[in-house]
Amino acid sequence: DARVTQTPRHKVTEMGQEVTMRCQPILGHNTVFWYRQTMMQGLELLAYFRNRAPLDDSGMPKDRFSAEMPDATLATLKIQPSEPRDSAVYFCASRRGDNQPQHFGDGTRLSIL
Amino acid sequence: AQSVSQHNHHVILSEAASLELGCNYSYGGTVNLFWYVQYPGQHLQLLLKYFSGDPLVKGIKGFEAEFIKSKFSFNLRKPSVQWSDTAEYFCAALSAYGGSQGNLIFGKGTKLSVKP
Repeated sequence: DARVTQTPRHKVTEMGQEVTMRCQPILGHNTVFWYRQTMMQGLELLAYFRNRAPLDDSGMPKDRFSAEMPDATLATLKIQPSEPRDSAVYFCASRRGDNQPQHFGDGTRLSIL
Repeated sequence: AQSVSQHNHHVILSEAASLELGCNYSYGGTVNLFWYVQYPGQHLQLLLKYFSGDPLVKGIKGFEAEFIKSKFSFNLRKPSVQWSDTAEYFCAALSAYGGSQGNLIFGKGTKLSVKP
C-alpha cells in the first residue's frame, strides 16, 4: 500500500536549534497538509498546499515556522529557532483531490529541551 | 465559524459493550464527514467516510456511522467493542465549497479505553 512517509520519526534537540521535518506524499496526491498534535490542543492544522502552492498557513506561527514544497514529492516544515513549546507530534497528510480522504504519515515526534 | 464537536473526551467501556461516540458539525450546505482512528503511538487511519447516499455508512473493523442532517450529527457506533479498539477517535468534516475548501476540520478527539 502507498504510504505518506515522514522523516525523522523522532527528533530531540535543544531550544534555539533549527528543526526540519520532511514529508513525501503519496504519488499522485496533489494536496499536502501539516498538522501538529499535542495533548492540550489536540490536532491543529498548520498549513496545506495544493499542487505545491500554499493555500492556507494561518495556523502556523509565522515568526519561526515555515512550510515549503520544493517539488511534488517533498514537503518540508521548518522551525527556527525552536522552543520547548514546539514539542509535539507533527503529522503530514496527503490526498488525491478535493473531497477525498486524507492519508496520514506516521508523524515526527519532536522534543525540544 | 465552522467547527466539529465531539462530546466525550474519554470513554471507558468493558469488552463486548456497545459504543456510540457523538459528533456534531456546524457547517451549512454540502459537507463530507469522516471518522479517523489513532491507535496508541500510531498515525491517524480512516475508519469510514460519508459523501452522499445512504446515511448509514459502514467502515472497517465493524464500525458504522449515521449521518443525520437535521441534527448535524455523524455519530460513530460499534455493537460490541474489543480491547483492541482502545484508541483515540477523531470526527472530521470537510465543506464542499467556499473559502475553506480543502480544509478538513477535526474534532478534539475521544479517547476510548476498553477494559479486558
